[in-house]
Amino acid sequence: DTGVSQDPRHKITKRGQNVTFRCDPISEHNRLYWYRQTLGQGPEFLTYFQNEAQLEKSRLLSDRFSAERPKGSFSTLEIQRTEQGDSAMYLCASRKAGVGNEQFFGPGTRLTVL
Amino acid sequence: AQSVTQLDSQVPVFEEAPVELRCNYSSSVSVYLFWYVQYPNQGLQLLLKYLSGSTLVKGINGFEAEFNKSQTSFHLRKPSVHISDTAEYFCAVRPYDNAGNMLTFGGGTRLMVKP
Repeated sequence: DTGVSQDPRHKITKRGQNVTFRCDPISEHNRLYWYRQTLGQGPEFLTYFQNEAQLEKSRLLSDRFSAERPKGSFSTLEIQRTEQGDSAMYLCASRKAGVGNEQFFGPGTRLTVL
Repeated sequence: AQSVTQLDSQVPVFEEAPVELRCNYSSSVSVYLFWYVQYPNQGLQLLLKYLSGSTLVKGINGFEAEFNKSQTSFHLRKPSVHISDTAEYFCAVRPYDNAGNMLTFGGGTRLMVKP
């Protein structure tokens, strides 16, 4: 257990439905990252927050995706109008700002879109 | 932009044998290097990292890696593997000058340790 938690661990939904995932980082970590990992591939960066500010978004993050981190604590990732191509593991990571500080990853949320 | 190539998608090995998992990267700027391990249905755990200094880095669970700047490689090694080392291993890089510090990962190598 790294101290980063994600909920739910698994989500099955039908195409076209909206889903929301939650990430609770380690409490003193001011940076929070979302990655997506498809089957047989390495994680790919989606977006990151420094405190409550969303500072960078990947081109992978289409306009159906939105992420928030109110008050700089937990974060949510919402996918609207899900598509089968959204099926993946969504990983959250957090770290303290500073050279060399590692990212600690949560267990992930596995999304299956039918 | 950076890219990471893990040359072997699967590596089968017998218990107590040595293993090397290969990682090559491409980057126009200097990078930090990392190896992560992922057990089934779990998140990623850091094995080791290279930031600066000695090019031979030791990590957890008896793993070590050597940074070779001229060959842009960061291969992971263990002299004697255990059944419990069966997992997916990911090499990753992060540029020195990247304010966000996001990681770029390779495609992963599945280590399968057989009794």
